[in-house]
Parts: sequence; structure tokens; C-alpha cells
Amino acid sequence: EDQVTQSPEALRLQEGESSSLNCSYTVSGLRGLFWYRQDPGKGPEFLFTLYSAGEEKEKERLKATLTKKESFLHITAPKPEDSATYLCAVPGGGNQFYFGTGTSLTVIP
Amino acid sequence: NAGVMQNPRHLVRRRGQEARLRCSPMKGHSHVYWYRQLPEEGLKFMVYLQKENIIDESGMPKERFSAEFPKEGPSILRIQQVVRGDSAAYFCASSPGQGYDEQYFGPGTRLTVT
Repeated sequence: EDQVTQSPEALRLQEGESSSLNCSYTVSGLRGLFWYRQDPGKGPEFLFTLYSAGEEKEKERLKATLTKKESFLHITAPKPEDSATYLCAVPGGGNQFYFGTGTSLTVIP
Repeated sequence: NAGVMQNPRHLVRRRGQEARLRCSPMKGHSHVYWYRQLPEEGLKFMVYLQKENIIDESGMPKERFSAEFPKEGPSILRIQQVVRGDSAAYFCASSPGQGYDEQYFGPGTRLTVT
């Protein structure tokens, strides 16, 4: 049973072309939704935590939002250095965190 | 402020050998998680430990895999009698508290079984 689904799997953007990444989750009693960035050959880097529907957080060109069933990571005027895989994760019923398979973002100069 | 440290970064083992992966959490963090990442797959939870205690090992294979987090020293993930299917990137993460705090990841150990 999938707990977290991310879409699209891959996204290619021109530099400056804004877009959004989606993370849908099915866990009940959400206890936080986490966004990470992962560069090739490296560990995931923590970006944001969202706890309740309607919450928004921003960091540079990234803004994360949360509804009752999904989260969006909005990328405004992306730059080539924003190219990475973006992961979302939610805590499960026990101590597990469930990660999505990620969206691979490529920003073309 | 040093982040999560893992070593070795790359490990090559022949089938049947043992692999030992080490993880030192961030300073002040006493909660450690191990994940496995296969190509084209997401991070899969393996085990959650606190100092001297295994809290949740529900994601760990029943055989050949074990983990510990001693009172002193790093957390260790041990894989005995490795097989080719064990080839993957293994990540360690630490958090300051239990449950739902954000986790901070190390750079990973890439295990290759030949």
C-alpha cells in the first residue's frame, strides 16, 4: 500500500519557468509532511516541515503548501542549481517515515 | 557543527562476506534511523534506534541484518553473508527527538556486492 505518491516523476524546465511538484499521501492523522532535496550521490537535505492544512513555508525560490490530502512544492523562476530530486515523506503509524520516489527536476539554462 | 557522518562512503564486498556500516549522528541527537535506497526506488525504512535500544526494526530483513547503537560510539548496521541483492545506498539519519521531528541525513554508504 503506497503511503506517498509524487508526480511528475521527472520535470524539465527552462530557467525562469515556474512550476509545481505534487506529493499525495494516504496516511490518516497526519503528523507532519517533510520535503527534502537530494543531489546525485548525496544524502537528502531537509527543506521544510508542514503540520496542518493551509500551512505554507518558503525558502528562496521554493514554497511548500499543504492540504488535507496533498502537498505542493512550488518553484518560482528556477535556476540550474535547483536541479535535483525532490522527495516528500510522512510519518507512518509507528516510527517509520514513508518516502515518495521523488520528482527529478532539471532546469535548463 | 558537524552533520551526520557515515563511513565508509563506498564499500565493496564479495558474496558471503560481512559488511559493516557506521553512522555518527549530529551532536545532540540521540535518535538514529537507517534507510536503504535502491536505484529508481524510494528510501525504505529499515530500523530506528536510540542509545542502547532498538525501537523499531520492522523494516529490516529478518536474517543477516542487524543494527546497534551503543552507549559510546557510532551506530552500526551489519550485513552478514552479503548477496548481490544487498547492493544499494544505505543512509543514516538522526533527529533530536522521537517520532515526528525532521531527520537529518548523512551522505550514505554505497555498498557493492560482487
